[in-house]
Amino acid sequence: TQLLEQSPQFLSIQEGENLTVYCNSSSVFSSLQWYRQEPGEGPVLLVTVVTGGEVKKLKRLTFQFGDARKDSSLHITAAQPGDTGLYLCAGDWEYGNKLVFGAGTILRVKS
Amino acid sequence: NAGVTQTPKFQVLKTGQSMTLQCAQDMNHEYMSWYRQDPGMGLRLIHYSVGAGITDQGEVPNGYNVSRSTTEDFPLRLLSAAPSQTSVYFCASSYWAGEGNEQFFGPGTRLTVL
Repeated sequence: TQLLEQSPQFLSIQEGENLTVYCNSSSVFSSLQWYRQEPGEGPVLLVTVVTGGEVKKLKRLTFQFGDARKDSSLHITAAQPGDTGLYLCAGDWEYGNKLVFGAGTILRVKS
Repeated sequence: NAGVTQTPKFQVLKTGQSMTLQCAQDMNHEYMSWYRQDPGMGLRLIHYSVGAGITDQGEVPNGYNVSRSTTEDFPLRLLSAAPSQTSVYFCASSYWAGEGNEQFFGPGTRLTVL
């Protein structure tokens, strides 16, 4: 079984603070995705990274794929209450439909 | 477009009962998947399909059956419900976006087995 470990499990911060969420594995992935999920809803795709060392930015969110394509990070600058949610990373190692998800990071941003 | 729809939204079953969770998508995606989400464990793949008539097992297939007779529909059947199947079930459809399979998830079905 391919495993993806996310850390931290929970994060509670004040509005305006910065944070980083990590996603690590011993496996090499063909691509890695980050999703955000709100209570009572399904996950929504934020970004896909495919190239080792790749960095993608989505407004205040910065995603990085490790050089060896085994790990990734999500950095949020100046967090806002609207960033509150469950953040999930998911790895694809077969260029297909079999995604492996991490357990997720619950983020709470207090105003 | 409605995207991915799932019914029912909530369901309570007794141990041993059977039921079908419905999933439909109107985006003409070839790929469809079923996941279950349990606290602290993320989403785990149950079954998936790469097209009508083609299905395969995921990480946790035991106790579940699927079929894919049309591109639009991908029902998940619980043959004999067990308390261990209490979970939130998500259906997803996806397409190859050039960099990976972009998955679109439904709103989920919250299932409780007593």
